[in-house]
Amino acid sequence: NAGVTQTPKFQVLKTGQSMTLQCAQDMNHEYMSWYRQDPGMGLRLIHYSVGAGITDQGEVPNGYNVSRSTTEDFPLRLLSAAPSQTSVYFCASRKREVYEQYFGPGTRLTVT
Amino acid sequence: DAKTTQPPSMDCAEGRAANLPCNHSTISGNEYVYWYRQIHSQGPQYIIHGLKNNETNEMASLIITEDRKSSTLILPHATLRDTAVYYCIVRVVAGNTPLVFGKGTRLSVIA
Repeated sequence: NAGVTQTPKFQVLKTGQSMTLQCAQDMNHEYMSWYRQDPGMGLRLIHYSVGAGITDQGEVPNGYNVSRSTTEDFPLRLLSAAPSQTSVYFCASRKREVYEQYFGPGTRLTVT
Repeated sequence: DAKTTQPPSMDCAEGRAANLPCNHSTISGNEYVYWYRQIHSQGPQYIIHGLKNNETNEMASLIITEDRKSSTLILPHATLRDTAVYYCIVRVVAGNTPLVFGKGTRLSVIA
């Protein structure tokens, strides 16, 4: 199993640009989520999904959209990038009934 | 969900046991204690979880007090690679609610 994969690993955007961060898992996990981690800070939940077609907001959803059309994929869209969105983004997945959660390697995003 | 309290930082000598405490005095009967760690720049990694009995796996041991109001994660022989932020999280056994991470304990293993 590849586990949780994220692309790209690094990205630089200009303010106002949009982009999609990709996340995929091959463990047939129902539950997927996106976190961001600012330098020296803890993880903050952006959006999560409990299954295909179902998404919900976390602590810091503004400026981000998600969709879950398949079990495997959970892309995160930045609508209009702002410098405040400079962060490391982690995707995670788990089976619904346990909290053993698997994280991807992260995407390091810089918005100038 | 029950709130957890962890010391912000700890040091441990290489080769010695690292004992990381967590207080969760408002834990309820159906809530598990989960431990994760995050090594610099990497995604968090699941370590272990337990309900009321002590648990051990290849990475660590989890000791939960009889009243379940606190727990200790034990890394029996800490190495430099165990330097990380360790998170203690309390959650019900199953559900759709997401994992929320607090500030954790920054463990520094010193040679």
